[in-house]
Amino acid sequence: AQKVTQAQTEISVVEKEDVTLDCVYETRDTTYYLFWYKQPPSGELVFLIRRNSFDEQNEISGRYSWNFQKSTSSFNFTITASQVVDSAVYFCALIAGGSEKLVFGKGTKLTVNP
Amino acid sequence: GAVVSQHPSRVICKSGTSVKIECRSLDFQATTMFWYRQFPKKSLMLMATSNEGSKATYEQGVEKDKFLINHASLTLSTLTVTSAHPEDSSFYICSAPKTANYYEQYFGPGTRLTVT
Repeated sequence: AQKVTQAQTEISVVEKEDVTLDCVYETRDTTYYLFWYKQPPSGELVFLIRRNSFDEQNEISGRYSWNFQKSTSSFNFTITASQVVDSAVYFCALIAGGSEKLVFGKGTKLTVNP
Repeated sequence: GAVVSQHPSRVICKSGTSVKIECRSLDFQATTMFWYRQFPKKSLMLMATSNEGSKATYEQGVEKDKFLINHASLTLSTLTVTSAHPEDSSFYICSAPKTANYYEQYFGPGTRLTVT
């Protein structure tokens, strides 16, 4: 069975601070995909990144960066110099093997205060 | 990127009535669509997989007779909440894979249902 754990329920930071959101996943499949989504108060899910299990390279996109480590089954997300607009709930998700189903973590609510 | 729409975005209905939510893929065909439910401050929970031309596949614990799913065409799936109760109030989100690769899913903007 697949499982995604986001141990941080809520995080509060002050603007310009760096913040890391943790994600630990479980799967027995060797082929899988990991995702991060942002859900602002409006509710719409915003796709941030997809990573497959064969690509362990870290990724940077502007202020966002992702650290994928298979050795620890983690796919952590860092926001550098956070901004108020980053305030949202962030979900880590997994789809594994031949499954068609996305498994979501419980989400981390990030609040960036001015 | 691909676009998935949902209608309505918000709906308020009275207990005992039924409400239909539509999920459309606007620029691609989707033989499969997924319906999720999200309670306040909770994660997304998969309710069912909608299959064009065949019956939907429901997740354990989801009442088939209460949440009717119809995938009438390659671009439209509908979720009907029948005999709605206040506990059905939730945020419903659909998604659709653009290709046979299920890891490439596109989400609709969601429908907020309030049952009074």
